[in-house]
Amino acid sequence: ELKVEQNPLFLSMQEGKNYTIYCNYSTTSDRLYWYRQDPGKSLESLFVLLSNGAVKQEGRLMASLDTKARLSTLHITAAVHDLSATYFCAVDKNYGQNFVFGPGTRLSVLP
Amino acid sequence: DTEVTQTPKHLVMGMTNKKSLKCEQHMGHRAMYWYKQKAKKPPELMFVYSYEKLSINESVPSRFSPECPNSSLLNLHLHALQPEDSALYLCASSQGTSGFVNTGELFFGEGSRLTVL
Repeated sequence: ELKVEQNPLFLSMQEGKNYTIYCNYSTTSDRLYWYRQDPGKSLESLFVLLSNGAVKQEGRLMASLDTKARLSTLHITAAVHDLSATYFCAVDKNYGQNFVFGPGTRLSVLP
Repeated sequence: DTEVTQTPKHLVMGMTNKKSLKCEQHMGHRAMYWYKQKAKKPPELMFVYSYEKLSINESVPSRFSPECPNSSLLNLHLHALQPEDSALYLCASSQGTSGFVNTGELFFGEGSRLTVL
């Protein structure tokens, strides 16, 4: 059974600081996704990582994938309040037929 | 703006009511999904339709009945729900085929927030 874990589950950080969210998964997969969810809203796709060593960057967020370690990271650089949200990683083993979300990391960026 | 449209955005129903949630996408995707999300939890997969055929039913109670009239539409029929079924119901779509250009990415609608009294 595919299991996806995230660490930390809650993160409170100061504006301007850097931090990394970790996503571990239990079985082999080379397809990993990061989503953002604002309170009461739907999920917004952030990054699609499709191979070992993939690195994607968008603004203050950078995501990477190490399929051998079964680990993805989401790095936040110089956080701003607008980044406050819940971030989910998700792993897909079979083109959507086994798409499993992690528990989410609730990020709060304080002024 | 999302390209997956869900209606209604909010629904309040009694335990004896029958209602339906609707989802529509015009991206040419061949797979569509229903997810259920409780507060402060990740989305949980309920059903997957691939090429208009039900391919996954994650042991969902029969009071939830999915329907895929065509490749662009997905419905979720609700009957005799319980208060614990109150949640955000998310529809998603993806390309749905293996292949070089298929990223497997799910595109979500805005969700239908359901309250069962």
